[in-house]
Amino acid sequence: DARVTQTPRHKVTEMGQEVTMRCQPILGHNTVFWYRQTMMQGLELLAYFRNRAPLDDSGMPKDRFSAEMPDATLATLKIQPSEPRDSAVYFCASGLVLGSGELFFGEGSRLTVL
Amino acid sequence: AQSVTQLDSHVSVSEGTPVLLRCNYSSSYSPSLFWYVQHPNKGLQLLLKYTTGATLVKSINGFEAEFKKSETSFHLTKPSAHMSDAAEYFCVVSGRGSTLGRLYFGRGTQLTVWP
Repeated sequence: DARVTQTPRHKVTEMGQEVTMRCQPILGHNTVFWYRQTMMQGLELLAYFRNRAPLDDSGMPKDRFSAEMPDATLATLKIQPSEPRDSAVYFCASGLVLGSGELFFGEGSRLTVL
Repeated sequence: AQSVTQLDSHVSVSEGTPVLLRCNYSSSYSPSLFWYVQHPNKGLQLLLKYTTGATLVKSINGFEAEFKKSETSFHLTKPSAHMSDAAEYFCVVSGRGSTLGRLYFGRGTQLTVWP
C-alpha cells in the first residue's frame, strides 16, 4: 500500500530549538510538496520540488526554514530556530506528474513550539 | 491569477439528506479543478477532479461536482449524506505556466452529518 510517510507525527519543543521533519514520498513520484496548516491561515504552500530540485520556496520564511531532498526517498523540512508562531501541522505530499493536481498527502507532523 | 472561494465554512446536514458544498473559482487559464477531503487528524485525499472533457465528474463514494464555466463554479454535491462523510472539504484550482505545480486551496468547508 503506497503512501507518504512523515516523521515525527507529533513534536513538542521549546522556542529556539531546531526542528527537523522528514518525509518519505511514494516511490516513483518525482514531485514533493511541503504545506503548513493552521486554523488562522488554512493551508499554505511552503516549498516544492521536482526531481529533487527546488522549484519554489517562496512560501517559507527564509531566515529560519530550509527544505531539502538529500535523495529521492527523503525530503526534509528544518526550522532553526523555532518560534511559537511555527506551531502548526506540516504536511508533505508527493505526486507523479507536475501540474496534474493529484497529490498524495502524508498524515502530517503536528508541531507545538512552547 | 488563480484562486478559489468556498462560500460556506460550515455545513450541517442530517444523514440521508442532500449535501451541497459551494465553490467559486478565479483563473486566468482554462482551469483544472479538484475537491480534496480531510478526515480528522489525517492528510488530505483527492476526492475528484475536472481537467477537460465531461463537465460532471464523480467520485467512487457518490459525490459529484459540475464545472460551470459561465458561473465560474465547481460545487460538490451528494444526494444522500452518510455519517462517514463528516470531514473538511477543500476546493482547489491548479496553477499553469509560471505557477505550474502549485495548488490553490480554498479555506475549506467543514461538513457535519447528524444522525
